[in-house]
Amino acid sequence: AQKVTQAQTEISVVEKEDVTLDCVYETRDTTYYLFWYKQPPSGELVFLIRRNSFDEQNEISGRYSWNFQKSTSSFNFTITASQVVDSAVYFCAFTNAGKSTFGDGTTLTVKP
Amino acid sequence: EAQVTQNPRYLITVTGKKLTVTCSQNMNHEYMSWYRQDPGLGLRQIYYSMNVEVTDKGDVPEGYKVSRKEKRNFPLILESPSPNQTSLYFCASRLGYRDTDTQYFGPGTRLTVL
Repeated sequence: AQKVTQAQTEISVVEKEDVTLDCVYETRDTTYYLFWYKQPPSGELVFLIRRNSFDEQNEISGRYSWNFQKSTSSFNFTITASQVVDSAVYFCAFTNAGKSTFGDGTTLTVKP
Repeated sequence: EAQVTQNPRYLITVTGKKLTVTCSQNMNHEYMSWYRQDPGLGLRQIYYSMNVEVTDKGDVPEGYKVSRKEKRNFPLILESPSPNQTSLYFCASRLGYRDTDTQYFGPGTRLTVL
């Protein structure tokens, strides 16, 4: 069975600081997909990024970037120059053959 | 508008009274799934369905039933709800069986079992 660990339960930063959210996973599968989702205070779940197990390229999308390292089973998420609107709960998730496992989430608070 | 809808959005019930939470999607998606979200525990998958008449257990299926008689609907049934099933429930769908497809979530159903 797979396991996803988000060791940081809560993070608080001041606006414009950079922040990295950690995600570590455990699996014996060789093919799988990793995801990050955002859950703002309004409660909906918003898809941010997907990465498959064979693609270790880092990705940047605006202020967001992701670092996938298969050797350390990590898929970390960095927000550069954080903004108050980034305040949310962020979930890392693992999926294989339709079965999904989510981490417990990291609550990010960005203070003005 | 492409969306996943859930009904009801809020429900307070009593132990043992059977209930159904409906989930419907208008995107002709093959895959649908149910999750529950509890404080500090993230989302946990209850059941998922790769297609009509095909359902599989997720990590926490005990106390729940599902059916997939038609592509657009995937109801979650609690035959005898108990207080430990008080939770926020999300339904989700995606295009097909491939894990690469983006998963779309419904707005959530907050269930309280007294």
